[in-house]
Amino acid sequence: AQKVTQAQTEISVVEKEDVTLDCVYETRDTTYYLFWYKQPPSGELVFLIRRNSFDEQNEISGRYSWNFQKSTSSFNFTITASQVVDSAVYFCALSDYQTGANNLFFGTGTRLTVIP
Amino acid sequence: GAVVSQHPSWVICKSGTSVKIECRSLDFQATTMFWYRQFPKQSLMLMATSNEGSKATYEQGVEKDKFLINHASLTLSTLTVTSAHPEDSSFYICSARTTGLRQPQHFGDGTRLSIL
Repeated sequence: AQKVTQAQTEISVVEKEDVTLDCVYETRDTTYYLFWYKQPPSGELVFLIRRNSFDEQNEISGRYSWNFQKSTSSFNFTITASQVVDSAVYFCALSDYQTGANNLFFGTGTRLTVIP
Repeated sequence: GAVVSQHPSWVICKSGTSVKIECRSLDFQATTMFWYRQFPKQSLMLMATSNEGSKATYEQGVEKDKFLINHASLTLSTLTVTSAHPEDSSFYICSARTTGLRQPQHFGDGTRLSIL
């Protein structure tokens, strides 16, 4: 069964601090996709990244970076030099490779508050 | 690109009425659309998956007669909450993806439904 755990329910940081959001997953599939989404107060879900299980290379996009460790079933997300606009709920999600993004299993989310 | 629009953003109505929520893909053809429900401070729960021109596939525990889904065109899906009751109050989010199992889902802005 697919399961995504985001143990951090809420995190508060002061602006310009770095912050890492943890994501641990469980799956019996040997190939799968992992995602991160951002949900700002307005409610819409913003797609941030999709990573397939073949590729364990870390990825950086501006102030965002992702660390995929297959050995520990983790896909952590780091925001460098956080800004107030980063305040949102962040969801980690998992889907199996065969159905692609058809069946997304979401974690419970981590609410990030960046204090000015 | 890949914009999904939901309408209305917020609706308040009396118990017993039916409410229709629209989900439109604005710049791509959405062969598959998904409807999620999100309770306050909780994760997204998939309600149903619909393919254009076909009947929706509902997740276990979701009443198909209560939540009517229509996906009549490649750019529009509707969710009708029939005879709504206060316990149906929630945040409903749709997503859409184009042809190809491994295409990512793009999410709408969500609809906040409040039943009095």
